[in-house]
Amino acid sequence: NAGVMQNPRHLVRRRGQEARLRCSPMKGHSHVYWYRQLPEEGLKFMVYLQKENIIDESGMPKERFSAEFPKEGPSILRIQQVVRGDSAAYFCASSPPWALSPLHFGNGTRLTVT
Amino acid sequence: GIQVEQSPPDLILQEGANSTLRCNFSDSVNNLQWFHQNPWGQLINLFYIPSGTKQNGRLSATTVATERYSLLYISSSQTTDSGVYFCAAAGGGADGLTFGKGTHLIIQP
Repeated sequence: NAGVMQNPRHLVRRRGQEARLRCSPMKGHSHVYWYRQLPEEGLKFMVYLQKENIIDESGMPKERFSAEFPKEGPSILRIQQVVRGDSAAYFCASSPPWALSPLHFGNGTRLTVT
Repeated sequence: GIQVEQSPPDLILQEGANSTLRCNFSDSVNNLQWFHQNPWGQLINLFYIPSGTKQNGRLSATTVATERYSLLYISSSQTTDSGVYFCAAAGGGADGLTFGKGTHLIIQP
C-alpha cells in the first residue's frame, strides 16, 4: 500500500550538476505539492501540480528549478546547476481530487550539494 | 499571504505531562492542518481541522476560525511524542499550505 513514495531518499550532487527528485502520489490522489525544508526550519511551499498542469508555482525560485507531473509516471522536481544553498530536504505531498483535504507527505529526499 | 505563528518554540516535559500548543494565523482560513515530524524526519498528518474540535486518542485539536487560532492538546505525553509539531494553513482552495516554524517538543522519561 502505498503512501506517497519519494526517491531517492538521499542524493549527493556536486555544484553545477543536476538533481532530479521523484514523487509518486498515493493511489487515487491527483494533486501533488512540493515543499522544501532547510535545517531547523519549517516547510516552505514550492509548487502545486495536477496531472499535466501547474496550478501554483509561486514558491518556486525563478531560475534553475522546474517541476512537472506528466499524465503517466511520477512528479519530478528538477534543479539545474545546483549550488550549496540548494542543500535541504525536499518533501512531496499528495491529496485527493477535492482541494480541501488532508495532506499526506512522503519521507522526503535529502539533497546534499558538495 | 497568510502568516502562521506557533508557540512555544520549544517545550520540554516529563513523561505523563499534558501540553497545549498554539497556532495563530493572520487571515481567514478554509484549510488548517497539524503535523508531527518525528526525529527521523517523517511528517505525519495529525488533524485536518479548519474549524471545530477533533480528538484522536491522546491528541485533540480545536480551531476557532473567527479568532484566528488553533490549539493542539497532548495528554499523558510519551517519549514517542517527541519531535516537531507544525501547524499549516491556507486561505484558498487551491493554495499551498503555509507552515509555521513549529514547536519542538521533547518528552523526557
